[in-house]
Amino acid sequence: EAQVTQNPRYLITVTGKKLTVTCSQNMNHEYMSWYRQDPGLGLRQIYYSMNVEVTDKGDVPEGYKVSRKEKRNFPLILESPSPNQTSLYFCASGRDGSYEQYFGPGTRLTVT
Amino acid sequence: AQSVTQPDIHITVSEGASLELRCNYSYGATPYLFWYVQSPGQGLQLLLKYFSGDTLVQGIKGFEAEFKRSQSSFNLRKPSVHWSDAAEYFCAVALISDTGRRALTFGSGTRLQVQP
Repeated sequence: EAQVTQNPRYLITVTGKKLTVTCSQNMNHEYMSWYRQDPGLGLRQIYYSMNVEVTDKGDVPEGYKVSRKEKRNFPLILESPSPNQTSLYFCASGRDGSYEQYFGPGTRLTVT
Repeated sequence: AQSVTQPDIHITVSEGASLELRCNYSYGATPYLFWYVQSPGQGLQLLLKYFSGDTLVQGIKGFEAEFKRSQSSFNLRKPSVHWSDAAEYFCAVALISDTGRRALTFGSGTRLQVQP
């Protein structure tokens, strides 16, 4: 089944404790992206990657890092999480040249 | 900068009634428009999309949307709502930059409640 998977689905952590949210897609998509969803704000793009080793900032990149060492994986790294990063995070992927993006199930992160 | 406005934060309809969810966009070029649905605790599922051509597009689950360039709108409709349609609905427009960046700019969402 074609899909985007994220792990973990739920995470509660404390301020300053480094964490990684993994994202993997099995559709051989070149393009991958991370969004965060906050009430009343819709989804906002954090980082995106056009292919392996090619990443760039989205609209709200502060406090996040990403890497793209393999085509299928695009982890999101929070080196020192803060409470304002409490949010619902979505990973998405898409084919090169297509405007469609396919979303993962989301990761709900709480930082206390 | 492009933007998407969904004027209705919350809508309640009776089961079997018709539905229209409003979406207005601001974008300088020809927009690529989407409607997504998010059920409680679930991810985002694509309902339908508009890239070009016929301005009335059909989607899954009996939904349709009409692109009206003169009104900068892309409203979502369904003739008869089912209880399972209760969810949050997001309108989005695709941003394609000169650098190749692709992002979806989302509206803030409309939460649909269906009464029996």
